[in-house]
Amino acid sequence: EIVMTQSPVTLSVSPGERATLSCRASQSISSNLAWYQQKLGQAPRLLIYGASTRATGVPARFSGSGSETEFTLTISSLQSEDFAVYYCQQYSDWPPLTFGGGTKVEI
Amino acid sequence: EVQLVESGGGLVQPGGSLRLSCAASGFTFSSYSMNWVRQAPGKGLEWVSYISTTGTIYYADSVKGRFTISRDNAKNSLYLQMNSLRDEDTAVYHCARVRRYYYDSSAYFRALDYWGQGTLVTVSS
Repeated sequence: EIVMTQSPVTLSVSPGERATLSCRASQSISSNLAWYQQKLGQAPRLLIYGASTRATGVPARFSGSGSETEFTLTISSLQSEDFAVYYCQQYSDWPPLTFGGGTKVEI
Repeated sequence: EVQLVESGGGLVQPGGSLRLSCAASGFTFSSYSMNWVRQAPGKGLEWVSYISTTGTIYYADSVKGRFTISRDNAKNSLYLQMNSLRDEDTAVYHCARVRRYYYDSSAYFRALDYWGQGTLVTVSS
């Protein structure tokens, strides 16, 4: 099973600042990585697939990078609506599909 | 507009059963693979089960032998039959659609592009 590890667990930032979230896979997953955003009480929302491609309707301030085992989600200038929990997920070697433990982005 | 609406959750005693449903609309349901993903209170996301368009099925080890995924394309619905429920099955259960994103003629990335709001299953005596 591929283990996905996210860091940090909590990221405290101010509106307008840049946020950098990390995700590490226990073995190479090429670019088979997705990022999701989940706000309190809501369903997860797909942000990034293929490690770096924004899903439809996702603002350009969200960008994904990385390959193999190291991945990054960057939010270039945090808006109030971006405060949420972010999950990475691998779709390379499955089942099982595996998610990271999440990073909470807070004010 | 794509919509996924789960139902069937509730309070059940350990050892009991529940059947969850996910009603899909706004897309050709039969053309998409589907997943169930759960989230225990205050915890992260955990994949539960997958069913393809052709009936290929996978389960997480934690539910294998107890849960059964199925689909009815005529009713645009996905199901999860949960038996022998345990305290640790307490969670919000989401259904999620699998989207293929082609970057080559035969190569693609997968992601879960639409999710339902979820239905809460509470296992407690």
